[in-house]
Amino acid sequence: EPEVTQTPSHQVTQMGQEVILRCVPISNHLYFYWYRQILGQKVEFLVSFYNNEISEKSEIFDDQFSVERPDGSNFTLKIRSTKLEDSAMYFCASREGEVAKNIQYFGAGTRLSVL
Amino acid sequence: ELKVEQNPLFLSMQEGKNYTIYCNYSTTSDRLYWYRQDPGKSLESLFVLLSNGAVKQEGRLMASLDTKARLSTLHITAAVHDLSATYFCAVDTETGTASKLTFGTGTRLQVTL
Repeated sequence: EPEVTQTPSHQVTQMGQEVILRCVPISNHLYFYWYRQILGQKVEFLVSFYNNEISEKSEIFDDQFSVERPDGSNFTLKIRSTKLEDSAMYFCASREGEVAKNIQYFGAGTRLSVL
Repeated sequence: ELKVEQNPLFLSMQEGKNYTIYCNYSTTSDRLYWYRQDPGKSLESLFVLLSNGAVKQEGRLMASLDTKARLSTLHITAAVHDLSATYFCAVDTETGTASKLTFGTGTRLQVTL
C-alpha cells in the first residue's frame, strides 16, 4: 500500500541552526500538509500546500518556517533558525484530491530535538 | 476558530469493561477521523467517518458521527490491555482549495488488569 515517507526519523540540532525535514508524499497526491505535536500535547496544523503554493498556514507558521516542493516528489519543511520550543514531532500528510472524497494520509513523523 | 474537545482527557478502565470517548466540535463538518497514538509513535488511523450517521467498527472499537449534534463517539467494548494508548479525534474542514485537520486534545486510555 502506498505510504507517506518522512526522513529522518529523528533529527537533533543546536539552537539557531537550520533544519530541513523531508517528506515523500504518495505519488498521485496533490495536496500536502505539515503538522506538529509537542510532546504530550495535541497535533497542530502548520501549513497546507497545493499547486506549488501555500493554501493556508497557522499562526505557528511564522517567517522562520518555509515549505517547498523542489522536484515533484519531495515536500520539505525548513526551519531557518531553530528555537528550543521547535522541539516536537513533525508529521507530513498528503491527500489525493477533492476534499469531500479523499482523506489525508500521515507519515510516521520526524522527531526534532533542539538543544 | 474551530474548537474540538474530547472527554474524558484521561480514562482508566478495567479489562472487560465498556466505555465511550466523546468528541465535540464547534463548526459544520461531515468528515471526522479517529487516530490512535502509542507513546513516542506516529498516528495510526482507526476510522474515517464521512457522513452524518456513519458508524464504523473494528474489533472492540466502534465510532459514530452525528453531524447535527457535532458529536462523534468512540465506544470501547470489553477493553483489553492492548487498547492502552492515546486516542485523538480530528475534524476535517475545507476553506477554498485548502483543508486541514483540527485535532482534539486527546484521551489517554489506560486499561488495567
